[in-house]
Amino acid sequence: AQSVTQLGSHVSVSEGALVLLRCNYSSSVPPYLFWYVQYPNQGLQLLLKYTTGATLVKGINGFEAEFKKSETSFHLTKPSAHMSDAAEYFCAVSHSGNTDKLIFGTGTRLQVFP
Amino acid sequence: KAGVTQTPRYLIKTRGQQVTLSCSPISGHRSVSWYQQTPGQGLQFLFEYFSETQRNKGNFPGRFSGRQFSNSRSEMNVSTLELGDSALYLCASSVSGDQETQYFGPGTRLLVL
Repeated sequence: AQSVTQLGSHVSVSEGALVLLRCNYSSSVPPYLFWYVQYPNQGLQLLLKYTTGATLVKGINGFEAEFKKSETSFHLTKPSAHMSDAAEYFCAVSHSGNTDKLIFGTGTRLQVFP
Repeated sequence: KAGVTQTPRYLIKTRGQQVTLSCSPISGHRSVSWYQQTPGQGLQFLFEYFSETQRNKGNFPGRFSGRQFSNSRSEMNVSTLELGDSALYLCASSVSGDQETQYFGPGTRLLVL
């Protein structure tokens, strides 16, 4: 069975500081991994995804994530936080095998202070 | 290209009623998935439709059902509403499924009184 664990339901950073949101996954098959962002009263927007190939994935808005198989991790980072990054972030793993079922983590709410 | 659209955006119902939510996928997308988002349970997969057939189903009671039309538009129905059904219902579409990127709509917020 596949699962996702996001460590830290809330993360607070100062504007300009490094953003690090943690995600660990469990999967019996090579995973497809995703990070989505949700702004208040909106749906989910894809930030980036890992399927195969390069383990460092660059996404939108300056975010990137690195797939580390040995650590079963897919942490999301951004070198310098911006006020507009304040939102909820979800890590997800794709259920394999001819289906698009996504299994989500519980989410991390990012606060950015001036 | 227009994104995923969901109607209505907000809905208020009372216990025991039924509700139908609609989702129009991105043009050319044939897979539509539905998710329920609540503060307590987070994001949970409801079901996925592809070419008018339910291909996968989450762990929800039979009161939750759905269908997909030949134009790939999808509806989900919840019968005999309970207070705990209050949630944001998100629809996502992808080209053909199978671990592809899903694009989400803005959701329908359902409040059951």
